[in-house]
Parts: sequence; structure tokens; C-alpha cells
Amino acid sequence: EDQVTQSPEALRLQEGESSSLNCSYTVSGLRGLFWYRQDPGKGPEFLFTLYSAGEEKEKERLKATLTKKESFLHITAPKPEDSATYLCAVHGGYSTLTFGKGTMLLVSP
Amino acid sequence: ETGVTQSPTHLIKTRGQQVTLRCSSQSGHNTVSWYQQALGQGPQFIFQYYREEENGRGNFPPRFSGLQFPNYSSELNVNALELDDSALYLCASSRGGSSSYEQYFGPGTRLTVT
Repeated sequence: EDQVTQSPEALRLQEGESSSLNCSYTVSGLRGLFWYRQDPGKGPEFLFTLYSAGEEKEKERLKATLTKKESFLHITAPKPEDSATYLCAVHGGYSTLTFGKGTMLLVSP
Repeated sequence: ETGVTQSPTHLIKTRGQQVTLRCSSQSGHNTVSWYQQALGQGPQFIFQYYREEENGRGNFPPRFSGLQFPNYSSELNVNALELDDSALYLCASSRGGSSSYEQYFGPGTRLTVT
């Protein structure tokens, strides 16, 4: 059974204070790892797909990296508008995406 | 390019009733996946439809059923509603029949069962 664990559950940062979110996974053959952003009461917004260890992708202040056991979402100099829940999901040996519970990020001005 | 749309936005039903939720996929996408998201949890996969056929199912009972239409829009039907069915129901569309492709989510339908 594919499993995804995200940490921390919640993170509070000051504006400009860089940090990283972790996504640990166990899958029977990784076919893709996905990062999403979700604002309260809304659907998840697609951010990145990573397919193989060593791969990195960037978008504005966000950078996602992938190893054989985990992925990191690095947030550089965050702004209050980056406040959201960040979800990690994997596509492994089943025809489904398995999501973690998410990390709730709050960036204070 | 039109994004994924869902209707209704909110719904209140009584235990034992039946409900139908609707989803229009993004232009150019032929695959629709449905998820249930309880408060404080990540989305849980219900099932996926590809070219009008069910293409994978999560750990949900048969009272959760679905359809996909020739225009790739989709419906989620839930019979004999239970209190635990209260959640945000998300629809996601993608190209191809594999979950390896990026899935784009709609805004969700908030279902409350009383």
C-alpha cells in the first residue's frame, strides 16, 4: 500500500524567513510525485510533478526536489500570500494518487 | 482554456437520501477522477473514469458510483447517505488514462449530511 507522510503538520513563518516542507513516501514503483497548494474551502492547485530522484523544479519562490524516499518543497523568502496548505501526492503501483494530510503554512507580515 | 467546474457548490442532505454531484472536465482532458476530502485530511481517491469506463477505484463501498459522458463530463452518485459522507468532494481532470499525468482540480462540492 502506498503511503505519504508530510511534516510538519503546521508551520508558521515570518515574511522572508525561508524554510522547507517534507514529504516522505513508500510506494511500489514511483511513477510520479505531485505537489499541490490548497486554499481554505477550494480545490487543490497543481504546482509540480517530479518523476525521478535528483529531479528539481522551480516556480517563483518555490522549489521542489526529489530523492528515492522523500521530497522537499523549499520556500524562499515567503510572502503572506504563500499562506496555504501544501499537499504532496504519489502515483505508485495503483491507478490512484495517494495524498498526504498536508502542511498548513502561515506566513506573517 | 476552461478549467474544471463542479456543481453544486454546497449541498445539505439528510441521512439515507441520495445525491448526485456533477463535474465538467478541462478542455482537452478525457479522464476524470473523484476524491473525498474530510476536514483536515488529504483527498482520498474514490474512482477514475477514462473514455466513459471506470479505470480504477479506491476503498469506497458500492453505494458510491459514477458515470462519464461522451463529452468527458462526469457524475458522482452516492446512495443511502451516512453522516460520515459529509466532506468536500473534488473532481480532477487530466489527459490520458494514467494518474501519472497532472490532475487539475475543480473547486469542489461541500456536502453536509444531517
